[in-house]
Amino acid sequence: SQTIHQWPATLVQPVGSPLSLECTVEGTSNPNLYWYRQAAGRGLQLLFYSVGIGQISSEVPQNLSASRPQDRQFILSSKKLLLSDSGFYLCAWSIIARAEQYFGPGTRLTVT
Amino acid sequence: KNEVEQSPQNLTAQEGEFITINCSYSVGISALHWLQQHPGGGIVSLFMLSSGKKKHGRLIATINIQEKHSSLHITASHPRDSAVYICAVYPYGGSQGNLIFGKGTKLSVKP
Repeated sequence: SQTIHQWPATLVQPVGSPLSLECTVEGTSNPNLYWYRQAAGRGLQLLFYSVGIGQISSEVPQNLSASRPQDRQFILSSKKLLLSDSGFYLCAWSIIARAEQYFGPGTRLTVT
Repeated sequence: KNEVEQSPQNLTAQEGEFITINCSYSVGISALHWLQQHPGGGIVSLFMLSSGKKKHGRLIATINIQEKHSSLHITASHPRDSAVYICAVYPYGGSQGNLIFGKGTKLSVKP
């Protein structure tokens, strides 16, 4: 069966510090991968999605970036965090585009 | 106006009650997704449907494509059903990853 992992589970970082969040999927090959952010009291917002290694599409301009160095690994990064980057970050995968998406446990990021 | 509207925003029920959560959308879609977000934040996929009705245990989801409306029903509700229920749609012509999300319905089931 397929599983999706995210780490860390929680993170407190100062403004201006770098960020790296990791997501890995097991039990499937060549999944579509997604990064979402949920700000406090708000709905889910798609940040990036990837249909294959090295292929990243950005949905929202921001100071975040994403990379997919391996088939089942998706990384969300920032060189300098802003207060507005605080939120709950979720990774998800689907077998193909526009299919049912399965979500990871999330990372709660607080920028202080 | 949001493209995906859910009602009600908040819902409190007594254990055992039949619950309905509604989702209306204003764009043409290829499919609709119902998700459950637990108090800790984790999200579980409940259903994905593009027509008719699907059932899983005490959960039933229906969709009426012509009326651009979907409902999620919970029969014999239980306190463990307390969560935020989120409706999301894949719009026609959108990017491959672009689910449009509703703001969610917060359900609290009292024992």
